[in-house]
Amino acid sequence: DAGVIQSPRHEVTEMGQEVTLRCKPISGHNSLFWYRQTMMRGLELLIYFNNNVPIDDSGMPEDRFSAKMPNASFSTLKIQPSEPRDSAVYFCATLRGGGQPQHFGDGTRLSIL
Amino acid sequence: GENVEQHPSTLSVQEGDSAVIKCTYSDSASNYFPWYKQELGKGPQLIIDIRSNVGEKKDQRIAVTLNKTAKHFSLHITETQPEDSAVYFCAAATSGTYKYIFGTGTRLKVLA
Repeated sequence: DAGVIQSPRHEVTEMGQEVTLRCKPISGHNSLFWYRQTMMRGLELLIYFNNNVPIDDSGMPEDRFSAKMPNASFSTLKIQPSEPRDSAVYFCATLRGGGQPQHFGDGTRLSIL
Repeated sequence: GENVEQHPSTLSVQEGDSAVIKCTYSDSASNYFPWYKQELGKGPQLIIDIRSNVGEKKDQRIAVTLNKTAKHFSLHITETQPEDSAVYFCAAATSGTYKYIFGTGTRLKVLA
């Protein structure tokens, strides 16, 4: 079991640039979650998908953030344009089905200068 | 709204002692309670979970207890070791929603 794979592990870019974070779920897992972790706000759920369909995006902070899941093997979280306050660790988590635990990737540490 | 409170925010114990972390949830419909351990530079990893039809669950040195009436659940680590040092998160979820409400985390330090 390869686990949830996120890329890149680290990203440093200048404000105003577009940032794309990637996630490959565990095979057979049909729900996918994007989280943001900061010291001030802890773990925040941004959006989650079930069977590739966005179910709840109420945590997406603003229109600069968008997420897609074009197929069961891949998801992206995009920030355009990026701002320094977007600096955080972004996690992807997936689960197999109802009542099962979420499995997290090791995150992308994003720094916007 | 739904909320999970977690205490303490930091905890230091001597190696070999026990550690207890407590969480309280607000949504009476919550019925699944996982605990995660997060080491530096890593994602949270599930260490134990409990469902609402069970009052206690053990896995070697780790145990979780649930009091549905009081809406409390706790993580107990016995015979702590330096490798137990990490940040621990509790969460509460309701079946059918898949969403977890996470606590704010407890930084555990085990002193050798």
